[in-house]
Amino acid sequence: GAGVSQSPRYKVAKRGQDVALRCDPISGHVSLFWYQQALGQGPEFLTYFQNEAQLDKSGLPSDRFFAERPEGSVSTLKIQRTQQEDSAVYLCASSDRRGSYEQYFGPGTRLTVT
Amino acid sequence: AQSVTQPDIHITVSEGASLELRCNYSYGATPYLFWYVQSPGQGLQLLLKYFSGDTLVQGIKGFEAEFKRSQSSFNLRKPSVHWSDAAEYFCAVAFYGQNFVFGPGTRLSVLP
Repeated sequence: GAGVSQSPRYKVAKRGQDVALRCDPISGHVSLFWYQQALGQGPEFLTYFQNEAQLDKSGLPSDRFFAERPEGSVSTLKIQRTQQEDSAVYLCASSDRRGSYEQYFGPGTRLTVT
Repeated sequence: AQSVTQPDIHITVSEGASLELRCNYSYGATPYLFWYVQSPGQGLQLLLKYFSGDTLVQGIKGFEAEFKRSQSSFNLRKPSVHWSDAAEYFCAVAFYGQNFVFGPGTRLSVLP
């Protein structure tokens, strides 16, 4: 594909449910990032992968959040026992080399927890 | 703590007018600086970036930004705004080896 894709685009979950959000980065991109964007705010860093290695997960807000990228391509962000405060847009970005700093963003997944 | 501020939450300009969006950062050293634009339902698109060198950088869609070290600022400008520029604009900073810190964003409305 031409760009970063994310699915689903919209997700409604009842409080306490588990959700999984998928990111397909641009083919060949080494680095992959996840961000959380609350309503009316800028994106906030969650976690970063280089290939399959998760190099930084300092932004994950709690142990309910878990991300993986087992084959160094597609990534999944999983949120367990969702809470209302998890409602946000989750953005994925990829870049083609380490230290590039030019990140290409997907359209995001809007998660609403009711 | 590292932070990015965008003092203007919402700006309205008339089509054809000039535009300046402000961005200030708090860092111990000069970071890498970026401006992104986000249209409704879309991902973030990079407008321009500054790493080093000439402090006036040109970007896509006719935008430019000027880095002023003394003011810790990286303001975005456009001489003549088009209706299609209406969107949310985010300033972001990164320090080598670390990840992006985004500002809260400025929403731009354009009057016909």
